[in-house]
Amino acid sequence: DTAVSQTPKYLVTQMGNDKSIKCEQNLGHDTMYWYKQDSKKFLKIMFSYNNKELIINETVPNRFSPKSPDKAHLNLHINSLELGDSAVYFCASSQDPHEQYFGPGTRLTVT
Amino acid sequence: QKEVEQDPGPLSVPEGAIVSLNCTYSNSAFQYFMWYRQYSRKGPELLMYTYSSGNKEDGRFTAQVDKSSKYISLFIRDSQPSDSATYLCAMNKETSGSRLTFGEGTQLTVNP
Repeated sequence: DTAVSQTPKYLVTQMGNDKSIKCEQNLGHDTMYWYKQDSKKFLKIMFSYNNKELIINETVPNRFSPKSPDKAHLNLHINSLELGDSAVYFCASSQDPHEQYFGPGTRLTVT
Repeated sequence: QKEVEQDPGPLSVPEGAIVSLNCTYSNSAFQYFMWYRQYSRKGPELLMYTYSSGNKEDGRFTAQVDKSSKYISLFIRDSQPSDSATYLCAMNKETSGSRLTFGEGTQLTVNP
């Protein structure tokens, strides 16, 4: 009974391709997030949705587009992938903003 | 200058040692302070969460916040090899909703 799950776990793709990462949470939380963790382990928020409404949209290239079909799902679509997009992407959810539950991560490698 | 500074380590200690992990911050508006633990190739998991100043204890872990010095600490007593992980501090302001600001994490190894 995984709390926050992400697919795929690993993604290797070439520059210029378009890819999606899916996230699902079964905790009944209202808020979901996407974070990017670079090679130095620095974790930075990208987007947050509350009940399917976008509430945080950090300075992220508009090649990145989140979509929340319902409050249990938050997907991330990335267009025209670049080398600098290589990172680990984490989905998270919370009811209390200070208690966020993270998924296992998707390791994206762009070649 | 980063809002939250954390020494990335690596920090290596023998089993049973007391470990002290620290973060400093520059913005006095931070009110909520969290510590997350991240094992290799896993997602971060929340360890401790404190509001404003003071201490909070949970088993072998103690979180300490000194708002006057803009300094937070996580102490691990009787450290175990299973504590080997990266520890990330995170902070939040009253007005920033769910936008957490993370430190870059300290990599800890506890040697048996």
